[in-house]
Amino acid sequence: DTEVTQTPKHLVMGMTNKKSLKCEQHMGHRAMYWYKQKAKKPPELMFVYSYEKLSINESVPSRFSPECPNSSLLNLHLHALQPEDSALYLCASSQAPQGTWGYTFGSGTRLTVV
Amino acid sequence: GESVGLHLPTLSVQEGDNSIINCAYSNSASDYFIWYKQESGKGPQFIIDIRSNMDKRQGQRVTVLLNKTVKHLSLQIAATQPGDSAVYFCAELGDGNQFYFGTGTSLTVIP
Repeated sequence: DTEVTQTPKHLVMGMTNKKSLKCEQHMGHRAMYWYKQKAKKPPELMFVYSYEKLSINESVPSRFSPECPNSSLLNLHLHALQPEDSALYLCASSQAPQGTWGYTFGSGTRLTVV
Repeated sequence: GESVGLHLPTLSVQEGDNSIINCAYSNSASDYFIWYKQESGKGPQFIIDIRSNMDKRQGQRVTVLLNKTVKHLSLQIAATQPGDSAVYFCAELGDGNQFYFGTGTSLTVIP
């Protein structure tokens, strides 16, 4: 298995809802990442998990809450989002946190906040 | 974060022609770069990488050139095909061992 799987593929949520995005990989990668991508823009780093511990939070608002239950799973919990949070949320993984292995990306979750 | 930029936001080429996509980076200490391809509705896909101890690396139909003197990176695609139509990002490994993505170039292949 050489893929990063993200669910759901599409999500529409209201500003008062609570939802979660899920990411899974079975490549034995020890670093996992959440990126946010707005239309026609490059991916922007949100969070980095290294060996299941949060190592980087790029000043992301607390309405986004990441979780890494084990080395294969990464969640992003969403609460009280704003319409401007609508974007493609990408999960990625790499063999090691050092980054020089390159990332494997999932296909993303297209999030719309109404 | 680092500053990684692209010279051309869009590029149109005829099928069969060669494509060249350019990228400028700002951190002279960066030692690892990746080109990604992102098709509509998909995540970025690794194409080719290069380390700073090299100035050229070739893959299947793709070549990456690195000019450290002027901090410039390019991706050459030979015999461009309709399936090459996508947005191409260069990414630079920053000081914190994280990748920073450039603005992106949208490549359209005209049949």
